[in-house]
Amino acid sequence: QVQLQQWGAGLLKPSETLSLTCAVYGGSFSGYYWSWIRQPPGKGLEWIGEINHSGSTNYNPSLKSRVTISVDTSKNQFSLKLSSVTAADTAVYYCAAQRITIFGVVILKGRWFDPWGQGTLVTVSS
Amino acid sequence: QSALTQPRSVSGSPGQSVTISCTGTSSDVGGYNYVSWYQQHPGKAPKLMIYDVSKRPSGVPDRFSGSKSGNTASLTISGLQAEDEADYYCCSYAGSYSYVFGTGTKVTVL
Repeated sequence: QVQLQQWGAGLLKPSETLSLTCAVYGGSFSGYYWSWIRQPPGKGLEWIGEINHSGSTNYNPSLKSRVTISVDTSKNQFSLKLSSVTAADTAVYYCAAQRITIFGVVILKGRWFDPWGQGTLVTVSS
Repeated sequence: QSALTQPRSVSGSPGQSVTISCTGTSSDVGGYNYVSWYQQHPGKAPKLMIYDVSKRPSGVPDRFSGSKSGNTASLTISGLQAEDEADYYCCSYAGSYSYVFGTGTKVTVL
């Protein structure tokens, strides 16, 4: 049973870089893709990007120029960096998992997010 | 990518059924059978309720069901219960390894 626990700085000034880390417990780190998703206060969810254990990444085109997602397989952790933050980046940030299923030589990635981390509120204010 | 369109709110009495729609385009909802639904209680992380349009994860009550027709997906909650009161979000794979979420729907149990 995979569980995710996340942490990072909760208060940033404009132009700084947001940095969050998510640790994976209780499952195979290579058996999932790992995503970051955010939710501005009172608003909906936005997918930020994903990474696998090999470091292969995919990003939301709207954030791609500012986002870096990385992985540390030795610690079963993955991280998010978002540069040049503004007030519009104020949100609760979640880490989440997408299961990979292997059928012989075929690798299928689940197109859903489960489980999720507990969320981290990041506020950008001068 | 534009957010998928959901009604702002739906309501029903205990025991009734409610249906939440999720409208996208042929590039997301209509193009793939990869729609998922999430339940979110205030201050909590989202919880997966439906994946691949109509599949239910282990532990999710069979009162929750999903379907899709064209560019619109739907989540139906049958036999509404007090604990179902929450926000619900749909999500669709949108091609090119990206995902788009819905605008969210608040379900109120009267």
